[in-house]
Amino acid sequence: GAVVSQHPSRVICKSGTSVKIECRSLDFQATTMFWYRQFPKKSLMLMATSNEGSKATYEQGVEKDKFLINHASLTLSTLTVTSAHPEDSSFYICSAENYNEQFFGPGTRLTVL
Amino acid sequence: QKEVEQNSGPLSVPEGAIASLNCTYSDRVSQSFFWYRQYSGKSPELIMSIYSNGDKEDGRFTAQLNKASQYVSLLIRDSQPSDSATYLCAVNAPNTDKLIFGTGTRLQVFP
Repeated sequence: GAVVSQHPSRVICKSGTSVKIECRSLDFQATTMFWYRQFPKKSLMLMATSNEGSKATYEQGVEKDKFLINHASLTLSTLTVTSAHPEDSSFYICSAENYNEQFFGPGTRLTVL
Repeated sequence: QKEVEQNSGPLSVPEGAIASLNCTYSDRVSQSFFWYRQYSGKSPELIMSIYSNGDKEDGRFTAQLNKASQYVSLLIRDSQPSDSATYLCAVNAPNTDKLIFGTGTRLQVFP
């Protein structure tokens, strides 16, 4: 139980394009999902908290207009990186909350050329 | 002072030994504590959660919590080379659903 999927697992795009990442809870419903990014050999950095049916809550320093989050159902949250640039290249990981525990998706590795 | 502190390691133990991983946290009102394992290039995997003082055992893993001293630890018995990974300690941010992660301890189990 408590399986979270992410799609795509890897994406390479040109600078200036937008990339959408999907996060799904497969066997449970998640009112709350979280989006993290992780740079090589660094710890997880929380970007935003995604709540079903309401606006996401962004952490300080995270641009909400650049990282668009939509949590339209209890099993799906999406993160769109708009006008991606090379500095946005990172490992993006979502998690979904189930009974006070967070379960992580497998992550999406974004490379912006 | 960092909110959740871990020794970055690496912690090297021989196969079959007990690996002891430690974590301290700064906010006394934290109520939920978690250990995640992260293999290189992969996402974190929940190993243990603990909410009450004392020990909690699950297979080869034992989590220990001492709220008075503000530390939580993870013991791995009969360590295997497949246990080699980075272990992340996470503590709930009070009154939120958010987790505060430590920087992780890298464990190396050698044959």
